[in-house]
Amino acid sequence: EPEVTQTPSHQVTQMGQEVILRCVPISNHLYFYWYRQILGQKVEFLVSFYNNEISEKSEIFDDQFSVERPDGSNFTLKIRSTKLEDSAMYFCASSEDGLAGLVQETQYFGPGTRLLVL
Amino acid sequence: DQQVKQNSPSLSVQEGRISILNCDYTNSMFDYFLWYKKYPAEGPTFLISISSIKDKNEDGRFTVFLNKSAKHLSLHIVPSQPGDSAVYFCAANAAQGGSEKLVFGKGTKLTVNP
Repeated sequence: EPEVTQTPSHQVTQMGQEVILRCVPISNHLYFYWYRQILGQKVEFLVSFYNNEISEKSEIFDDQFSVERPDGSNFTLKIRSTKLEDSAMYFCASSEDGLAGLVQETQYFGPGTRLLVL
Repeated sequence: DQQVKQNSPSLSVQEGRISILNCDYTNSMFDYFLWYKKYPAEGPTFLISISSIKDKNEDGRFTVFLNKSAKHLSLHIVPSQPGDSAVYFCAANAAQGGSEKLVFGKGTKLTVNP
């Protein structure tokens, strides 16, 4: 069964450093998402991406964050200058069609990257 | 901002019995609801969903019920199995309102005892 994959599974970084989290969405999916879960808190939406541009973002997704689809398979989340509060599990998700035709599409999640900022 | 609430942080049931997980929401724009199951150190795994035009959706041992007037949904697992032990998240989406984001509840940890 096709699945979303994410690398690395764990990342430790120093405050102020840049990190890039990588995701390979399900191959025929067109919409891609990033979510995060800070320890003990809810899973929170960060950003959605379609047709090579951001389609929706949350207030969390400030100028420190960026997303990119550098090739036909990868989808990345970059945090330019990490802060202690960026420590969280970051989940990538994808859906087949997103809002095309306002169809309600299920989002499928990857296993996550645990980011620890020291 | 608690648009999706799961008021029971944990639930313990005996193997073979019914597990009922509850979820309430406040945003009347939500029109698509999903349940995800999550094991430690893994990502959320999709279980079952329901559109706001329905009041019930069934898939094997899993049934989701939606009460729009009460803004309440529930997930029934019958019969419960020890492998069902996990954290269950309720999530909602306002697709017809043009939003792609899923809004999650805090989760309910289900323990099924053998």
